[in-house]
This record gives sequence, structure tokens and C-alpha cells, in this order.
Amino acid sequence: QVQLQESGPGLVKPSETLSLSCAVSGYSISTGYYWGWIRQPPGKGLEWIGTISHSGITYYNPSLKSRVTVSLDTSKNQFSLKLSSVTAADTAVYSCARLPSLYYFDYWGQGTLVTVSS
Amino acid sequence: EVVLTQSPGTLSLSPGERATLSCRASRSVSSSYLAWYQQKPGQAPRLLIYGASNRATGIPDRFTGSGSGTDFTLTISRLEPEDFAVYYCQQYGSSPPEITFGQGTRLEIK
Repeated sequence: QVQLQESGPGLVKPSETLSLSCAVSGYSISTGYYWGWIRQPPGKGLEWIGTISHSGITYYNPSLKSRVTVSLDTSKNQFSLKLSSVTAADTAVYSCARLPSLYYFDYWGQGTLVTVSS
Repeated sequence: EVVLTQSPGTLSLSPGERATLSCRASRSVSSSYLAWYQQKPGQAPRLLIYGASNRATGIPDRFTGSGSGTDFTLTISRLEPEDFAVYYCQQYGSSPPEITFGQGTRLEIK
């Protein structure tokens, strides 16, 4: 059974860089599939942030592309998210997920709340 | 960007009733690229339907997805108490590659 677990700081200051990791168990991320990040502001809907293939090809939400980097760390079987120049509008629950193809998410982490505040 | 509009925003029904949730796209979406999720408070979304009509592993057959082009529907034939949640549709577009979600439909107990 594939499991995903997000980790990282719960509080980030405005203008700084948000950094999160997603540890994957039950599957080697270098073998196949795609891996993605999604966020959900409190009380609001879901927003796709970006996706990375097992070979490192990235796809980003055009509205966030200038600030987002998603990368793989196959030695630790995890992938990461960096979002730069954050503002209060970036406060959200950030979730990682697996995509069996580019088209949909089948396994999700529980999500982690990141608050942007000084 | 393809915008997905879900209706109604809130649906109030009783257990045993039939629920029909709509997802309308701002331009045509390939059926292969349309999915539905269920989200309960404090939980991650759960994949229900992919490819517009394929049930995900372990999803009961009371959940049915249908539609094509710009109009898609999720039908729950007989509501169980555990079905009351928020439902999201999601599409993938290839030019440029992007994923968008609808704003959600809240299914509440009447």
C-alpha cells in the first residue's frame, strides 16, 4: 500500500521560501508514476501546484510557475516543493499525491497546514 | 485555462435518496481526463471516478460518473450516511499541461 507523508515548517514569514517534503513508502518513486502537490486554503477549494515525473520532468500551474520548484530525491524516496516569495495568500493545507498518469491523483498524503505570517 | 463550474453549490438530501452532481467545463474536456473526488472534513480527498466513468479501486457501485465534452455528472444512486461530504471534479488539459478543480459541491443531510 502506497503511503505519502508531508513534512516541513508550519509557519513561514512573508517574502521567504516555503519548503516541504513528501516521503513515499510502499513504492519507489524512481520506478514510475508521477508525483504532485496540491494546496487548499482554509475553507476553500483545491488548487494544483505542480507535478514531477519519475524521471524528473516537471509541470507547473501557470499562475505559480515563476515561484515553484518541485524536485525528486530518489535516495530518500521523497519529493519536495519550494515556493518562493510567499504572502498570506499562500496560507493553505499543502498535500502531496501520486498520479498514475498525468490526469488524476490516486493516493494522497494527509496534508500539512502552512501559515504565512510574520 | 479550463474553468470547471460545479452545481449546485450545496445539495440537501436524505439517506436513501439519489444525488446528481454537475460539473460543467468552459471548453471541451477529453473524457479520459475528468475525475471526481470526495472529501470529508479534516481528510484528504479520495479518488472516486477517473476517465469520467471508471470507478476507482474499492468505490461502491452506487457511485456512477458520466458525461462528455463540457458536461459531466456524478450520480450517487442511494445515499448512505457516509456519503455526505464535499465533492470535487477535476480535469487535465494538455495545452499547456495543467490541472484544474471545480469549486466543489457540498452534499449535506436534509
